Amino acid sequence: NAGVTQTPKFQVLKTGQSMTLQCAQDMNHEYMSWYRQDPGMGLRLIHYSVGAGITDQGEVPNGYNVSRSTTEDFPLRLLSAAPSQTSVYFCASTQRASGGNTIYFGEGSWLTVV
Amino acid sequence: GDSVTQMEGPVTLSEEAFLTINCTYTATGYPSLFWYVQYPGEGLQLLLKATKADDKGSNKGFEATYRKETTSFHLEKGSVQVSDSAVYFCALGGSNYKLTFGKGTLLTVNP
Repeated sequence: NAGVTQTPKFQVLKTGQSMTLQCAQDMNHEYMSWYRQDPGMGLRLIHYSVGAGITDQGEVPNGYNVSRSTTEDFPLRLLSAAPSQTSVYFCASTQRASGGNTIYFGEGSWLTVV
Repeated sequence: GDSVTQMEGPVTLSEEAFLTINCTYTATGYPSLFWYVQYPGEGLQLLLKATKADDKGSNKGFEATYRKETTSFHLEKGSVQVSDSAVYFCALGGSNYKLTFGKGTLLTVNP
């Protein structure tokens, strides 16, 4: 079972460069989201999507763009990378159930901006 | 808004010791509660969950009980192993699909 797949796992960028973190899920979940993880701050929500064609901002959206053209894919774009975006990024998709939702995470993408 | 407060680490234990990591929450409605574990260099794995009051989630010897009266979801394990060394996150899922995380607790188990 593939679950949630993120690429790349590691990336080093120079300040001002752009890049896209890819995320795909094969569970047909409507809801997907991106989080960033920073030391001592837990995980914070960047952007989320409730279905194809629909996206919205989370807690820390500045500097990031997303799109959701298909149910499966939810890429995260950094248009002009800054050192403050050095972090670990997690993509997630949500399984909805009457007994409570469960969120599944990808393996993470370690990004360093120099 | 929703919030999660969990025990600050790091926590260092000897093998076979008893583990408790405290987690309390603030939320409207009836959230689901989760514990996630992150092993060194890896992503987040769902450890256990509970979806309503008095539910007990359990997995790999870990347990946590959803206590609505004390708004708590403390993680416990009776006998930890070196392989349990990881960062543990308590999280709350509200009526939508998003999670609110605690800041994480680093657990180190020494042989």
